[in-house]
Amino acid sequence: TQLLEQSPQFLSIQEGENLTVYCNSSSVFSSLQWYRQEPGEGPVLLVTVVTGGEVKKLKRLTFQFGDARKDSSLHITAAQPGDTGLYLCAGSGGSNYKLTFGKGTLLTVNP
Amino acid sequence: DAGVIQSPRHEVTEMGQEVTLRCKLISGHNSLFWYRQTMMRGLELLIYFNNNVPIDDSGMPEDRFSAKMPNASFSTLKIQPSEPRDSAVYFCASSLRSTGELFFGEGSRLTVL
Repeated sequence: TQLLEQSPQFLSIQEGENLTVYCNSSSVFSSLQWYRQEPGEGPVLLVTVVTGGEVKKLKRLTFQFGDARKDSSLHITAAQPGDTGLYLCAGSGGSNYKLTFGKGTLLTVNP
Repeated sequence: DAGVIQSPRHEVTEMGQEVTLRCKLISGHNSLFWYRQTMMRGLELLIYFNNNVPIDDSGMPEDRFSAKMPNASFSTLKIQPSEPRDSAVYFCASSLRSTGELFFGEGSRLTVL
């Protein structure tokens, strides 16, 4: 069974601070997705990374896939209250439709 | 375009009652996933349909749970009889292909008393 561990589980910071959240596994994934889920809503895809060592940027968000494709990180620069939400990572085994989701990091950015 | 539409948004029922959750897929999507989200277990895949056919129902907790996809745009998830441990948020998600981006609905929050 593939498991994804996300850390920290909870993170509360002030507007303008930088932060990094992590997604780790002992299994290799062919691709990894990051979702953001706001209260009362479903998760929304932010990015998909597929190549070991790949770095993708989405405005103030930087996503990295580990060289061995077992881990990933999400770095947010100058966090804003609008970044508040549950950040979920999800790994895919390739052609397998079954995504393994981590439990998420609940981020609160205080004004 | 309308996204994935789920109903009801909230359901409170008593143990033993039947619960039916509904999902309308995004037009043109051929893959349908039902997930359950709890604090303890996170998001868990319950069942996956491709082209209206159930491909993997290994995540369905037990026989009390059933799902159908009577046509290409609509699906139901039924729990009968419901139990308090079924309390969770149930999400429906669709995608253009089985390994494509998932588009989630807003979820149905179920509370079984």
